Amino acid sequence: NAGVTQTPKFQVLKTGQSMTLQCAQDMNHNSMYWYRQDPGMGLRLIYYSASEGTTDKGEVPNGYNVSRLNKREFSLRLESAAPSQTSVYFCASSDRGMDTEAFFGQGTRLTVV
Amino acid sequence: GQSLEQPSEVTAVEGAIVQINCTYQTSGFYGLSWYQQHDGGAPTFLSYNALDGLEETGRFSSFLSRSDSYGYLLLQELQMKDSASYFCAVRGQAGTALIFGKGTTLSVSS
Repeated sequence: NAGVTQTPKFQVLKTGQSMTLQCAQDMNHNSMYWYRQDPGMGLRLIYYSASEGTTDKGEVPNGYNVSRLNKREFSLRLESAAPSQTSVYFCASSDRGMDTEAFFGQGTRLTVV
Repeated sequence: GQSLEQPSEVTAVEGAIVQINCTYQTSGFYGLSWYQQHDGGAPTFLSYNALDGLEETGRFSSFLSRSDSYGYLLLQELQMKDSASYFCAVRGQAGTALIFGKGTTLSVSS
């Protein structure tokens, strides 16, 4: 059981480049989330999807777009990367009905130069 | 909006007991959770409180007082492997995303 899988694990981008971070879960969860983690800032919510076909903005959505491709997959896109988007990105999922535990991927370490 | 406050750092020695406090402000409330993160790895779930009182899971316990918008994580019989960051998190309502505090770095020394 793989849980939540994120790709890539590491990425270096130049300012202005675009890229998509991929996330897939195999636990049949309804809800999926994208967070970013910066030193001293904790985990800040970028976007979330409560169910297939729906997405909502979180605390820090500017500069990002998301796609809930199907129940398993939730991707995060940076259209024009900026140095301020240098961060560690975590995808997570949870069973909406249980509403207790979120499962996290191993993270994507992104550097924008 | 929603916000959570927790201490940034706590230090303790092996075998001791440590308490990490969390106060929150939310427009609604659907439970307080605690997560552990080692060295920037994936956060992992520790506990969840929806109702007032103490929940115990082995060496770890979590407490909630909804009237005080306050909770804490209690770690007993500390071990070196407990050195990690600990985050409290809340949901404003069912089906919405977890909002996290900034985390508390626990350092356990021998």
